Amino acid sequence: DAKTTQPNSMESNEEEPVHLPCNHSTISGTDYIHWYRQLPSQGPEYVIHGLTSNVNNRMASLAIAEDRKSSTLILHRATLRDAAVYYCILRDVSNAGKSTFGDGTTLTVKP
Amino acid sequence: DSGVTQTPKHLITATGQRVTLRCSPRSGDLSVYWYQQSLDQGLQFLIQYYNGEERAKGNILERFSAQQFPDLHSELNLSSLELGDSALYFCASSVAGTPVTYEQYFGPGTRLTVT
Repeated sequence: DAKTTQPNSMESNEEEPVHLPCNHSTISGTDYIHWYRQLPSQGPEYVIHGLTSNVNNRMASLAIAEDRKSSTLILHRATLRDAAVYYCILRDVSNAGKSTFGDGTTLTVKP
Repeated sequence: DSGVTQTPKHLITATGQRVTLRCSPRSGDLSVYWYQQSLDQGLQFLIQYYNGEERAKGNILERFSAQQFPDLHSELNLSSLELGDSALYFCASSVAGTPVTYEQYFGPGTRLTVT
């Protein structure tokens, strides 16, 4: 299975944009890039996913490099509620439900 | 609220005992997944059921078993419990059998403490 690499932790100021990077240099052509986050004492929550093109939704934007070996989750205006562990996961049909979430990036948002 | 419910919220039991965790998926979702999250292991996939049938298996111990019932709710049975089984157990659901283009919705979890 293709692996992802994320920084252990990042800090941001409230109301500023946050760019959370993810490296996936061994990604295959059929891997979708998924992002989930886990707020303290809660279950993981879906954020966004994409294949090749950049994606936007009400929560965030996903920027995917042209060679797909890296991606960036963008929170346009961080709020205190965005403090969480963010997981970047690769999924394809063969492993979609089985993917383990890894350690993720712990985002701290400062007021 | 994800729409996925899990009971009980907390469970404290002794080593050697057996417990059952219950999960009700979101309305309309056919797939149920079980995950274990411990401090040193992160979120580990255990098993998936799709419309009553086992679809995928992860690092699930032989002491653990699961099933999905006709009404699509699922139960995870943990037996001969050991101290190391203390963890958060999450259930997730998705509409399809392979959440590649669909998202998973996670429940609030069951915190199991084995003493």
